[in-house]
Amino acid sequence: GENVEQHPSTLSVQEGDSAVIKCTYSDSASNYFPWYKQELGKRPQLIIDIRSNVGEKKDQRIAVTLNKTAKHFSLHITETQPEDSAVYFCAASWMDSSYKLIFGSGTRLLVRP
Amino acid sequence: GAVVSQHPSWVICKSGTSVKIECRSLDFQATTMFWYRQFPKQSLMLMATSNEGSKATYEQGVEKDKFLINHASLTLSTLTVTSAHPEDSSFYICSARTAPVYKNIQYFGAGTRLSVL
Repeated sequence: GENVEQHPSTLSVQEGDSAVIKCTYSDSASNYFPWYKQELGKRPQLIIDIRSNVGEKKDQRIAVTLNKTAKHFSLHITETQPEDSAVYFCAASWMDSSYKLIFGSGTRLLVRP
Repeated sequence: GAVVSQHPSWVICKSGTSVKIECRSLDFQATTMFWYRQFPKQSLMLMATSNEGSKATYEQGVEKDKFLINHASLTLSTLTVTSAHPEDSSFYICSARTAPVYKNIQYFGAGTRLSVL
């Protein structure tokens, strides 16, 4: 089955710097890749997603890139702010599996003021 | 936006009792809901896929008889942890998928923290 690996497990950056989180997936049939942000004690919130027919997607300070050949995708956060501090999860999904999401292990991002 | 309500948010029970957790989509119909389990500082592990009007599909290693899932309507799915034991203590989160299916956008409930004494 699908396996999603996520790195790094923790990431500490200075406010204003950029943060990059990377994920790799195993199943080449995967075609949907969302990113979720989970603050302590709260529900995961979808922040951005990308489909396999697109190589990059941007929404203000957040961008996601996808390399289908290498089977990896990345989350880029620019001009980080303390409120960006949270756990970020990547996930992968494919059409012939009820579209279920398989999550990466998570990255704890700390933005230092 | 789409809102998913999960209840209760926290439950403490004695070992051997059963606990029911509800997951409701408040402003949309969800033909499919998902149940996840999350251990402290770990990822979300998919337990089962719940389709309205049909039996749930469980992931490998998840005991069907221990984690009973019912999806009787387009807005409600329930997870019952039967004969709960301390090792079942965890954070359980549901999600509901909006239409169209191919967009596969899932919205999550706030989770239920289960503590079994």
